[in-house]
Amino acid sequence: EAGVAQSPRYKIIEKRQSVAFWCNPISGHATLYWYQQILGQGPKLLIQFQNNGVVDDSQLPKDRFSAERLKGVDSTLKIQPAKLEDSAVYLCASSLDQGLVVGEQFFGPGTRLTVL
Amino acid sequence: AQKITQTQPGMFVQEKEAVTLDCTYDTSDPSYGLFWYKQPSSGEMIFLIYQGSYDQQNATEGRYSLNFQKARKSANLVISASQLGDSAMYFCAMSTGKLIFGQGTTLQVKP
Repeated sequence: EAGVAQSPRYKIIEKRQSVAFWCNPISGHATLYWYQQILGQGPKLLIQFQNNGVVDDSQLPKDRFSAERLKGVDSTLKIQPAKLEDSAVYLCASSLDQGLVVGEQFFGPGTRLTVL
Repeated sequence: AQKITQTQPGMFVQEKEAVTLDCTYDTSDPSYGLFWYKQPSSGEMIFLIYQGSYDQQNATEGRYSLNFQKARKSANLVISASQLGDSAMYFCAMSTGKLIFGQGTTLQVKP
């Protein structure tokens, strides 16, 4: 079974530029998550999709971050314009169910973003 | 408010010995799940073990066991017979609808 795919693996941009990350979840997984992991901290949920609908985006900085999940499969996370504090690893995860009490989330390798 | 606390920023253990990584949590929700993930230097998050709040027995997965003490709201991870490949960052997480992670503990296994 193929895992969660993410691209690119690394990205370096200057502040005020825009950037986009792509995620392909495990086939058949209805729920998709985007996390931000700042160096030395645990991942923080940015947005959760159930199929192609948003379940939780309460911690997404909507003035600069946007995300979509086309046809309930692949997802794209965009930052525009980027700030220095956006430097982090962006992790995508997927799960079969809504990841409530039970439901293991499978993580992709992450995209390491550096904003200069 | 939901909260996960890992108070050990870093731990050392000798190869082949056991080690306990601490995790405490806070929630008023009676139904929740507790997870441990391993994050090697390569960056991927690897699921290790899960404990449901209604599970009577402590979860075990190979060399990993979760010491679940509900009254104390603790969910410590025990790794038996440590191996060099266990050196990594370990995260405790809680789910009551969304996954909340602790700050992590860096484990270094010494030969």
